[in-house]
Order: sequence, then structure tokens, then C-alpha cells
Amino acid sequence: GAGVSQSPRYKVTKRGQDVALRCDPISGHVSLYWYRQALGQGPEFLTYFNYEAQQDKSGLPNDRFSAERPEGSISTLTIQRTEQRDSAMYRCASSLDTGNTIYFGEGSWLTVV
Amino acid sequence: AQSVTQLDSQVTVFEEAPVELRCNYSSSVSVYLFWYVQYPNQGLQLLLKYLSGSTLVKGINGFEAEFNKSQTSFHLRKPSVHISDTAEYFCAVSRSNYQLIWGAGTKLIIKP
Repeated sequence: GAGVSQSPRYKVTKRGQDVALRCDPISGHVSLYWYRQALGQGPEFLTYFNYEAQQDKSGLPNDRFSAERPEGSISTLTIQRTEQRDSAMYRCASSLDTGNTIYFGEGSWLTVV
Repeated sequence: AQSVTQLDSQVTVFEEAPVELRCNYSSSVSVYLFWYVQYPNQGLQLLLKYLSGSTLVKGINGFEAEFNKSQTSFHLRKPSVHISDTAEYFCAVSRSNYQLIWGAGTKLIIKP
């Protein structure tokens, strides 16, 4: 696509529910990144992929968070058993390859009530 | 560990005035430096980046930044701002090719 597309843009969920956030990177981009941004703070690295391989997941806060990119294109970030502290904007980004300019999507706002 | 400090959470200036948004970083090794901008209801957009070479980096929309290694700073400047520059600006540093460490952001408000 023309840019990085994320869905849903806004999600309100009840505590304890599972949530899946989707990212469709720019066509042809090898690298895909997930960041989380709490209100009033800068983004925080979660994980990144080259093609379908998850290269670094050191930023995932705990085992309730997981991400996949099975065919090397669309990625899903899943949060199980959501908690209120998971409320944040989740940003996806992609780049042609590692080391190239990173392009961000508009983000998915998650609110856990 | 690396960290990024944006010294001002909000800066307000009048249209056509100059502006400087400050960014300091801490790192014991060489880093790459970035400024991103987020306009209302849009994603983060790269303004400019420093990888190596000239310490004065020019970016889009008339912005520039100067890398100062001795002061570990990478301040963003524009000589004359427009209303359309109203946005949130983020400084980021990266030691690797992929993992960016971000500042908390500076909201720039331009008054007519």
C-alpha cells in the first residue's frame, strides 16, 4: 500500500479480554517494527521482524504480548488478558530493510477499561 | 544505556519567529540521531537524520539540526516558523540499525 496501515485505529476493551492489532506495512518493505507509546511519553520499542522472522522481541513487556508476521507482510500484535496499564498507542512501522528510513503508521489507540 | 532528553515539553512561539527545540542524549558509543514530527491525526514522519559526516543536517520543511558531540546534543532549529509547523516533535537516537530510543516529545505551538 501507499503507507503503513494500522487497524483498528481505536479500540476500547474490557480488562481481561484479548486484543489483536494489525499492521499492513508498505509494500516491499522487509523490516517491520512495533512500538508502544504511553500518554506524554515517547515511543518504546517492542519488537521487530525481517521478513517473517522475529529478530528481536526484547521490548515486549511480558508474556501476555506476542507478535507474528507469518508471511513476511502483515503483522499482528496480540495482547492477552489485557490490563489497564496496557492502555497506550501502539505504533507499527516499516522500512525497506534494516538501517533504512523507518515509516510509521498512524497508530492504534488501545484503552482498557 | 542510552537515553534521550527533550528539555521542553511544550514550546510556544509567534509565527515567523525562530524556534529551537532542544535534545540531549546519553551514550558512550557512536549513535545515529533523528528528529520525527507528528502532525495532528497523522503518523510519525522523519524530519531529518544524522548518520555521519557534516554535523549540520538539513531536513524537510526548512528545519535543520546540529550534532554536537562534545555536548551530546542534537537541537532542532527553524529560522522562521509557520502555523503549519504546529505539531509534536520527537528526538530519537539509535546505536543499532533498528532500535530507536525516543525522547518524550516537545509540543510546538505557533501563535498567529
